Amino acid sequence: GAGVSQSPRYKVAKRGQDVALRCDPISGHVSLFWYQQALGQGPEFLTYFQNEAQLDKSGLPSDRFFAERPEGSVSTLKIQRTQQEDSAVYLCASSHNRLAGSTDTQYFGPGTRLTVL
Amino acid sequence: GQNIDQPTEMTATEGAIVQINCTYQTSGFNGLFWYQQHAGEAPTFLSYNVLDGLEEKGRFSSFLSRSKGYSYLLLKELQMKDSASYLCAVRSTSGTYKYIFGTGTRLKVLA
Repeated sequence: GAGVSQSPRYKVAKRGQDVALRCDPISGHVSLFWYQQALGQGPEFLTYFQNEAQLDKSGLPSDRFFAERPEGSVSTLKIQRTQQEDSAVYLCASSHNRLAGSTDTQYFGPGTRLTVL
Repeated sequence: GQNIDQPTEMTATEGAIVQINCTYQTSGFNGLFWYQQHAGEAPTFLSYNVLDGLEEKGRFSSFLSRSKGYSYLLLKELQMKDSASYLCAVRSTSGTYKYIFGTGTRLKVLA
């Protein structure tokens, strides 16, 4: 596709439910990032993939959060037993180059707005 | 620790010039990025600096001083459509490379 897509765009979950958020990166992009953005704040790093390898998951808030990218393309962020504090916009971004030090930049998807009641 | 500071809000008049400042303290530095984010939309890339100095791109310019941990985004000939949040982000080299974002500066452009 032309850009990064995410689905669903909006998700309402009852506290305790599990949710799965999908990201389709730009075709051929090696790097994929997940961010959490609370209202009025900047994106907070969650995790980073290079192809199918999850190289950094230091930003995941708890073990209820899990991300995968099994074939190096589509990625899924799963949140188990959702809590109200999980309510936020979850942004996915991809970039072409795996090399730090490049001028490569991230392209963001539209995000999934998660509301936990 | 990792810290990026930018003003929360700024207001300017259509046609004017505005400068949005960003200071950072990060573990490792591999470039500074500015993004624009309209309400309810994804951030979009504006500019990138890795060396000291000014990068100009149309109405937008960005400056970096690595020794001072300082950057600014300069917007000229402001238009109403420039009303948005402007995010400063540093690509850190602590561990794997990742992007640390500031909280964003919400710019209001008034007629």
